[in-house]
Amino acid sequence: DSGVTQTPKHLITATGQRVTLRCSPRSGDLSVYWYQQSLDQGLQFLIHYYNGEERAKGNILERFSAQQFPDLHSELNLSSLELGDSALYFCASSVGTGSSYGYTFGSGTRLTVV
Amino acid sequence: DQQVKQNSPSLSVQEGRISILNCDYTNSMFDYFLWYKKYPAEGPTFLISISSIKDKNEDGRFTVFLNKSAKHLSLHIVPSQPGDSAVYFCAAAVSGTYKYIFGTGTRLKVLA
Repeated sequence: DSGVTQTPKHLITATGQRVTLRCSPRSGDLSVYWYQQSLDQGLQFLIHYYNGEERAKGNILERFSAQQFPDLHSELNLSSLELGDSALYFCASSVGTGSSYGYTFGSGTRLTVV
Repeated sequence: DQQVKQNSPSLSVQEGRISILNCDYTNSMFDYFLWYKKYPAEGPTFLISISSIKDKNEDGRFTVFLNKSAKHLSLHIVPSQPGDSAVYFCAAAVSGTYKYIFGTGTRLKVLA
């Protein structure tokens, strides 16, 4: 157990729908990062929050949004889902805005859009 | 544009031999590099890091080499063990940003 909790582990939904993925960071970590891993792709950086504030954005679609709440958990909202959004979504956390040891990742949410 | 590339999607090595995983990057501003290991159904776990002020960092059986002029890093595992079978990702960042760019991964299979 890495200490980073992601729920749900699996999600199957239809095209056009909206889903919310949840992440609880490791205790004491203020930063949360979201990554997407599609088939045969590397981990694509989506967005970074630090202590409730958005700090960096990657290749995140406009249909996707995220936020970090006062208790530091984060949610990634995916709307108007398309087949191509099927992927593993990882959340990671770190102390501050990063650390020399990189991130601690959760075990991911596998999203399947049918 | 893939800024971090792992051109070998897979690698098979005999137990006890050396595994060498390669990673190339294009952004000369990157100055901090990490390797992660990922088992099926788990998130990636941190393995080893190196900053651009060094050209080598060693941790037990794992050594990372950095060649800044070639924009190339490699991970050596000696000796390889069956438990090392996993997908290995390299990642790079400009220090201070901590927005790591990951490669596509190399699947290592260590044969007993």
